[in-house]
Amino acid sequence: QVQLQESGPGLVRPAETLSLTCSVSGGSLSRVYWTWIRQPPGKGLEWIGYIDYTGSTTYAPSLGSRVTISADTSKNQFSLNLTSVTALDTAVYYCARATNAKGVEYWGQGTLVTVSS
Amino acid sequence: DIQMTQSPSTLSASVGDRVTITCRASQDISIWLAWYQHKPGKAPKLLIYQASTLHSGVPSRFSGSGSGSEFTLTISSLQPDDFATYYCQQYNSHTFGQGTKLEI
Repeated sequence: QVQLQESGPGLVRPAETLSLTCSVSGGSLSRVYWTWIRQPPGKGLEWIGYIDYTGSTTYAPSLGSRVTISADTSKNQFSLNLTSVTALDTAVYYCARATNAKGVEYWGQGTLVTVSS
Repeated sequence: DIQMTQSPSTLSASVGDRVTITCRASQDISIWLAWYQHKPGKAPKLLIYQASTLHSGVPSRFSGSGSGSEFTLTISSLQPDDFATYYCQQYNSHTFGQGTKLEI
């Protein structure tokens, strides 16, 4: 069974960098997409981006160059960095595993990140 | 970018009702659509993938249909556990619909 768990600071100052890590256990590493998704308070789900099994990344155009997703396969972890954050980046952040066949099949429990001074 | 539009935004229903949620894509996405159920404080759950395939463990009262640009999620007989927010997502640019809140 695949399990994912987010970790990282719950409070980030404006203009700083939001950094989260997702620890993964179980499941295949092939042909999967390690994904970040967020949900701002009172709003819907927003796809942030992914790193795939080859190490290639794809990001939401709306986040532009602020987002970087990386992976450390030796630790079974992947990470999200979001630079120059504002209050609009306050959200519950989910890490997840997606495939071409099924979409997002496995999700972490989510972690709330608040951007505030 | 492909836009996904769900309707309605909110749906009021009762236990035992049959309900349908619609998701429209701004262009043809074939069958590459998934449906998720999301409850407050919990991780979303995959219900349907490839427009109509029921994910493992999902009750058979859930069904999906459609292809191209119009899709539906149907719950045949609402149960108390089904009151949640439902999202569609297309696979290509990964965009989610804005969500449909199903309330009592």
